Amino acid sequence: DAGITQSPRYKITETGRQVTLMCHQTWSHSYMFWYRQDLGHGLRLIYYSAAADITDKGEVPDGYVVSRSKTENFPLTLESATRSQTSVYFCASSESAQPQHFGDGTRLSIL
Amino acid sequence: QKEVEQNSGPLSVPEGAIASLNCTYSDRGSQSFFWYRQYSGKSPELIMFIYSNGDKEDGRFTAQLNKASQYVSLLIRDSQPSDSATYLCAVNTGGTYKYIFGTGTRLKVLA
Repeated sequence: DAGITQSPRYKITETGRQVTLMCHQTWSHSYMFWYRQDLGHGLRLIYYSAAADITDKGEVPDGYVVSRSKTENFPLTLESATRSQTSVYFCASSESAQPQHFGDGTRLSIL
Repeated sequence: QKEVEQNSGPLSVPEGAIASLNCTYSDRGSQSFFWYRQYSGKSPELIMFIYSNGDKEDGRFTAQLNKASQYVSLLIRDSQPSDSATYLCAVNTGGTYKYIFGTGTRLKVLA
């Protein structure tokens, strides 16, 4: 089925560990995005990608790394997790200025 | 001033009534406007999008855009308890990656 899938859905890890959140879309959308959603802040853009091998920072990029070697995949890595990165993470995809489609999210807890 | 502002609510309406959700934005160059519905613990789901001034109707939903006054609204007719959710307004500025989200309005439809 066409869509956007995120994995894992839930993750618990410890401070200082590296963790990677996966995102895969089957629409061949050019744009892909990573957001975090926290109470009181709404959705905040971490990184986005306009195409394979093209990525750029969003509003809150510190502590995160992304890559996009293939159009359909856009993994997000926390290099050394901190408690402040406990959040719900959403991946989304779209064409330029078109509606975004969201994955089901990853609920990440950092102890 | 926040770039996209919404009243956090909760907005309570009786079943069968019209729910009116409002959103204001600060960037006059904004081109595309989106309404998402988000149930608790779920991902945002696209409800409506609008690009031109005026009204756009889709079933029980009507999006209204007034670029001169910089607001966009969502009307939900014949509100149902299943419409109870948080509604996110999003604005695309510049036609590329920049989607700015409001923090959402929580709607409660009372049976």
